[in-house]
Amino acid sequence: DTAVSQTPKYLVTQMGNDKSIKCEQNLGHDTMYWYKQDSKKFLKIMFSYNNKELIINETVPNRFSPKSPDKAHLNLHINSLELGDSAVYFCASSQVPGTYGYTFGSGTRLTVV
Amino acid sequence: RKEVEQDPGPFNVPEGATVAFNCTYSNSASQSFFWYRQDCRKEPKLLMSVYSSGNEDGRFTAQLNRASQYISLLIRDSKLSDSATYLCVVDAGKSTFGDGTTLTVKP
Repeated sequence: DTAVSQTPKYLVTQMGNDKSIKCEQNLGHDTMYWYKQDSKKFLKIMFSYNNKELIINETVPNRFSPKSPDKAHLNLHINSLELGDSAVYFCASSQVPGTYGYTFGSGTRLTVV
Repeated sequence: RKEVEQDPGPFNVPEGATVAFNCTYSNSASQSFFWYRQDCRKEPKLLMSVYSSGNEDGRFTAQLNRASQYISLLIRDSKLSDSATYLCVVDAGKSTFGDGTTLTVKP
């Protein structure tokens, strides 16, 4: 059983389109995250939800909108995609933020053309 | 100054070598510390937590120096399979990842 699963694994789309990435965890964790890893491999937090409530919202364009329908799911919707949005997006979850570390999904490789 | 800084490397070492990475952090209120490993085109995976007393897991030893605000990872008897990028993570209410240190172990 995959602990943190995200779909799709690959996403190629044109500039200006709107796309969503989905994430689900079956670990019973309370907190979920979205991270972005750019071409230089730097991993930056975007959002964090604890039990469906937004607790971290980094400086991210408002074209990015997370949604957590329940504590096992955290989706990321991106409007008006730009070339600079091309990156790998990782979903992660943790039981107690900052205490036991994260479990990451396998990533969604987004390419905007 | 970055919140978490790592030497990006790359570190190129022969099999069997001992290699050490350091990671410095700026927030003295940081409470939790971790090392992750990331293989090429894969997700980061938790390697080990770092405790104040230091901790060891097989060939890997992690240490924390709060006074100087750094954590370290020592890998003994390097294997080819240790080749990866090693990320340190510091948490002060929010986890911040270092930019990673790349290790290549060569035959």
